[in-house]
Amino acid sequence: KNQVEQSPQSLIILEGKNCTLQCNYTVSPFSNLRWYKQDTGRGPVSLTIMTFSENTKSNGRYTATLDADTKQSSLHITASQLSDSASYICVVSAGDSNYQLIWGAGTKLIIKP
Amino acid sequence: SQTIHQWPATLVQPVGSPLSLECTVEGTSNPNLYWYRQAAGRGLQLLFYSVGIGQISSEVPQNLSASRPQDRQFILSSKKLLLSDSGFYLCAWSPGTGGHYGYTFGSGTRLTVV
Repeated sequence: KNQVEQSPQSLIILEGKNCTLQCNYTVSPFSNLRWYKQDTGRGPVSLTIMTFSENTKSNGRYTATLDADTKQSSLHITASQLSDSASYICVVSAGDSNYQLIWGAGTKLIIKP
Repeated sequence: SQTIHQWPATLVQPVGSPLSLECTVEGTSNPNLYWYRQAAGRGLQLLFYSVGIGQISSEVPQNLSASRPQDRQFILSSKKLLLSDSGFYLCAWSPGTGGHYGYTFGSGTRLTVV
């Protein structure tokens, strides 16, 4: 069964600190993996997208890694800011069909001043 | 540039009443369009997707239906709402099929059925 599991479920850190969010997946065949940021009450916004051959991709203070062998991905946030408070969702695309996306439940990140 | 509009932002409806949520996309043609529902603390659930006018595919059998009367317009409807229809509904679009395209989401509609 295609699944995406994220950990931790929630995380609280102090402003300025770094953090890493995890995503494990069992999706086959694998096409790509995306990380989205979703502010409360808003639609998700894409942060990164990685294909099978990509190990790492950065978007400002966000760096995503992908290990296709172990089927794991991480999202590292550097020097956190209050505006980073949001849910971060890992999404894996199965096969070549754009609508076969497997969504994780997300990690709720809270940044405290 | 492309933009996606979704309305209303919030909606409170009684059980048994009809529903119509609208989504429009600007700045692109022949987009793939999607309706998702997000329950509290859960991942997004794909409800419907459309690859063209009048072409609707349903992922989950339910009390809802979708229509695409125009290329850039996607409507989510129900004839009689149930309590279980409450949730956060998101419309999204992508440039086409193929796993590499990202999605762009609307701002969502918070539906509460009372």
